[in-house]
Amino acid sequence: EDKVVQSPLSLVVHEGDTVTLNCSYEVTNFRSLLWYKQEKKAPTFLFMLTSSGIEKKSGRLSSILDKKELSSILNITATQTGDSAIYLCAVPNSGGSNYKLTFGKGTLLTVNP
Amino acid sequence: EAQVTQNPRYLITVTGKKLTVTCSQNMNHEYMSWYRQDPGLGLRQIYYSMNVEVTDKGDVPEGYKVSRKEKRNFPLILESPSPNQTSLYFCASSLSGAVAGELFFGEGSRLTVL
Repeated sequence: EDKVVQSPLSLVVHEGDTVTLNCSYEVTNFRSLLWYKQEKKAPTFLFMLTSSGIEKKSGRLSSILDKKELSSILNITATQTGDSAIYLCAVPNSGGSNYKLTFGKGTLLTVNP
Repeated sequence: EAQVTQNPRYLITVTGKKLTVTCSQNMNHEYMSWYRQDPGLGLRQIYYSMNVEVTDKGDVPEGYKVSRKEKRNFPLILESPSPNQTSLYFCASSLSGAVAGELFFGEGSRLTVL
């Protein structure tokens, strides 16, 4: 069975801190890993990492894929209160289907002023 | 504006009373999917659809039905809701599959079954 495990489950930091969120996965046919941010409403897409694109960056957010360790990290530097959200990691199911996605339980990040 | 629209956004119902949650997207996406989100369990896939008239089960399909008669619409049907279906439901779509990159999510439908 495919597994996606995120850690920590929750994290409280102060504005300006740097945080690292972790995602580990167990799939037999890895193709990609996706990161989403969920504030009060719907998840919104952050990054997709693949074997040919193992590092992505957008402003203060960056993500790296470690295929050897079967994991990914999401870094947020100089955190702001607007970064408070649930961060979700997901991988496509290993059954070969392009259409099933397994999500981790998410990391709840709280950034205090 | 590109969007996925779900209705109703909030619903309280009683056990056994059939209900439908509608989902519509205006991006001409091939792929649509339903998820439920529960505390401590994360997002779990209920059903998905690769194209019109083509649907398949996700990880938690029991108690749900779907149909895809038109490309833009993918309703979720609860024939006989039970309290364990109390949850936050999300519809999502993408151009061509879950690994194509960005899944666009609707705003969510919070369902309470008494």
